[in-house]
Amino acid sequence: GAGVSQSPRYKVAKRGQDVALRCDPISGHVSLFWYQQALGQGPEFLTYFQNEAQLDKSGLPSDRFFAERPEGSVSTLKIQRTQQEDSAVYLCASSSWTSGVVNEQFFGPGTRLTVL
Amino acid sequence: TQLLEQSPQFLSIQEGENLTVYCNSSSVFSSLQWYRQEPGEGPVLLVTVVTGGEVKKLKRLTFQFGDARKDSSLHITAAQPGDTGLYLCAGGVQGAQKLVFGQGTRLTINP
Repeated sequence: GAGVSQSPRYKVAKRGQDVALRCDPISGHVSLFWYQQALGQGPEFLTYFQNEAQLDKSGLPSDRFFAERPEGSVSTLKIQRTQQEDSAVYLCASSSWTSGVVNEQFFGPGTRLTVL
Repeated sequence: TQLLEQSPQFLSIQEGENLTVYCNSSSVFSSLQWYRQEPGEGPVLLVTVVTGGEVKKLKRLTFQFGDARKDSSLHITAAQPGDTGLYLCAGGVQGAQKLVFGQGTRLTINP
């Protein structure tokens, strides 16, 4: 596709349910990022993949959050036993990779998660 | 923890006026990026500045990176209603690929 796509666009979960959010990056992009954006705030980094390797997961707020990118393309962010504080927009971004520089990140439209 | 503070958080002005948005930190960043985000969409990159003191212009928008690479500003000349949106600054973390975002400036330009 032409850009980063995410699905679903909206997800409503009952507290305690597990959810899975999908990201399809731009074809050929080596780097993939997940960010969490609370209402009225800027995005906060969650985790970073280079190909299939998860190189940085320092932003994951708890062990209920898990991300994978098994074939170095599509990525899934899974949240187990959702809590109300998990309600946010989850943004995925991808970029090419050049050593030594911060590359332009192209963002998807996000998945708005509401936990009731 | 590296933080970026944006100010003001909200700004509402009349069409034709000038404005400046500030992004400040006590940390040094390898680069500073400015994004614009529309409701229901992801952020879209406007500009990247890398060198301390660097100034870039994009039509009516002027971006500056501080000499010490700790702060940045976005200046808009003769604002138009189409400039309305959420403006985010983001710092590139040295030695890493991730971005640290400010909390955003919600700009409204009234006709």
